[in-house]
Amino acid sequence: DIQMTQSPSSLSASVGDRVTITCRASQSISSYLNWYQQKPGKAPKLLIYAASSLQSGVPSRFSGSGSGTDFTLTISSLQPEDFATYYCQQSYSTPDSAFGPGTKVDIK
Amino acid sequence: EVQLVQSGAEVKKPGESLKISCKGSGYSFTSYWIGWVRQMPGKGLEWMGIIYPGDSDTRYSPSFQGQVTISADKSISTAYLQWSSLKASDTAMYYCAKQTSIAAAGRSNDAFDIWGQGTMVTVSS
Repeated sequence: DIQMTQSPSSLSASVGDRVTITCRASQSISSYLNWYQQKPGKAPKLLIYAASSLQSGVPSRFSGSGSGTDFTLTISSLQPEDFATYYCQQSYSTPDSAFGPGTKVDIK
Repeated sequence: EVQLVQSGAEVKKPGESLKISCKGSGYSFTSYWIGWVRQMPGKGLEWMGIIYPGDSDTRYSPSFQGQVTISADKSISTAYLQWSSLKASDTAMYYCAKQTSIAAAGRSNDAFDIWGQGTMVTVSS
């Protein structure tokens, strides 16, 4: 099974900061990597698919990069509504899948 | 509008059985995989398993194989997650999600694009 890790597990940042979250797969998954945002009490929301493609309606301050085993989610200028937990998900072994453990972004 | 509507919150005792549901609408229910995701209180997302309602092909995470059963009734566009004997450790929020294949850079990538609102299951004596 493919295992996913994320770092950091949490971070504190201020509005306007550039934020970077890393996701690593236990084996190469090409670009089969998705990112989700979850706010407290809400269902997750798809942000980025195929490592770098922005889901419709997602602000352009979100971007993704990477391939193989190492991936990055970047928020170019953190907004108040971006404080949430972010999860990566591999879809290389679809329909089987796995999520990363999550990265919580909170206010400094 | 494409949506998944899940059944309501449940409070059960250890050892009881339970079946929760996820009804799809606004799309061809038989043409897309439906996945189930567990989120224990204060914890992350865990991929439990997935079903293709068109032919009931079902896959499970090794962590959940034998612990739950995923099924679907395509005649009423509904997927199910069930337990035969609940434990306190099953207390969690459970989400269903529709998996879509999205074309990107010349290949198809699968992602959960539509999520249900979640069903909270509480197991307590």
